[in-house]
Amino acid sequence: AQSVTQLGSHVSVSEGALVLLRCNYSSSVPPYLFWYVQYPNQGLQLLLKYTSAATLVKGINGFEAEFKKSETSFHLTKPSAHMSDAAEYFCAVSGVQAGTALIFGKGTTLSVSS
Amino acid sequence: NAGVTQTPKFRVLKTGQSMTLLCAQDMNHEYMYWYRQDPGMGLRLIHYSVGEGTTAKGEVPDGYNVSRLKKQNFLLGLESAAPSQTSVYFCASSYATGNTEAFFGQGTRLTVV
Repeated sequence: AQSVTQLGSHVSVSEGALVLLRCNYSSSVPPYLFWYVQYPNQGLQLLLKYTSAATLVKGINGFEAEFKKSETSFHLTKPSAHMSDAAEYFCAVSGVQAGTALIFGKGTTLSVSS
Repeated sequence: NAGVTQTPKFRVLKTGQSMTLLCAQDMNHEYMYWYRQDPGMGLRLIHYSVGEGTTAKGEVPDGYNVSRLKKQNFLLGLESAAPSQTSVYFCASSYATGNTEAFFGQGTRLTVV
């Protein structure tokens, strides 16, 4: 069964600093991978997704993620954090076969200080 | 477009009571999901559906039932609520599995006392 592991339940950075949120996947076949963001008291929205077209994926709000098969990783980065980036971030995985569900990691809360 | 709409947004139940959460989507999506979100646990899949009339169990299905009689609606039922079911429930839908984006509702905050 597919799964994702997010390392670090809470990450704190200063405004302007690099953001790095870690995600490792477990799958025998490279799956489809996603990053979602959840702002307080809201539902989730898609940041970016990996679909095998390119290993470096650019998303909204300046975020990007790199798929590394050798490391089974899909870490999320942003060069310069902004106060508005404070939120909870979820890595998710979906299988390539029809009928498979979207499975989420436990989430990482990002705090940004001025 | 409304997208994914969840009803109700808040509810307080007494232990043993039953209730149904409604999820409606207007995007003609085949796949629909119910998740629960608890602190430190992320989103855990309760049940999902890959099309009208079909349902499947997720990671934490016990204590819940679902139905997908119409393509646009996915109902989540609690037959006899327990305090352990206090959570925020999210519904989502997607056109298909694989690399398609899932769209989420705003959530239902359920408290069982």
